Amino acid sequence: QSALTQPRSVSGSPGQSVTISCTGTSSDVGGYNYVSWYQQHPGKAPKLIIYDVTRWPSGVPDRFSGSKSGNTASLTISGLQAEDEADYYCCSYAGTYTWVFGGGTKLTVL
Amino acid sequence: EVQLVQSGAEVRKPGESLKISCKGSGYVFTSYWIGWVRQMPGKGLEWMAIINPRDSDSTYSPSFQGQVTISVDKSFSTAYLQWSSLTATDTAMYYCVRHGYYSAGYPGTPVYWGQGTPVTVSS
Repeated sequence: QSALTQPRSVSGSPGQSVTISCTGTSSDVGGYNYVSWYQQHPGKAPKLIIYDVTRWPSGVPDRFSGSKSGNTASLTISGLQAEDEADYYCCSYAGTYTWVFGGGTKLTVL
Repeated sequence: EVQLVQSGAEVRKPGESLKISCKGSGYVFTSYWIGWVRQMPGKGLEWMAIINPRDSDSTYSPSFQGQVTISVDKSFSTAYLQWSSLTATDTAMYYCVRHGYYSAGYPGTPVYWGQGTPVTVSS
């Protein structure tokens, strides 16, 4: 059960859009529509921002959106804001009541 | 309001045992699976294990199987993560998570997170 692959870092200017990819296998990302995304600010607990590939928990702005194609899921953040600067993690169900996280991506807002 | 309140920071020596806790409130404790996630210093999130509070059915990541034990006490709405013999590589922040958005046969994703319990193992 290997960690999902995410880019180490991405960056964008305020108002722009950025996309973070999350690549797994047919045993996790590709096998289930159960990919979630988490935002983690320094020193804080992670916060769920997308679940079931495309769904938003209550209170999460629709600037955050998710998608999936094959074994790769993506998180797109549009209209970048300074407070979006954080670490982002994908997480996929991997069957038999197990989950796997991605390695994390550091988003820098320029 | 759903809350997961974890026990405080721990400092232990290699070879010692440890049990940390996570108390759930604001929801029916036995209705949602609880999991544990590790974050080593400066590193990413690692899924460790999950338990069904209703019947204590549990599953471990292969990376953590045999290294830790998870349990619950329904009467106290509390989940536990324990080690019998710590090593320096167990130094990390440990988060408990309450799963949600479930469906038939799927416990759902980690939704609510505790504040984390920092564990330091050093001689």
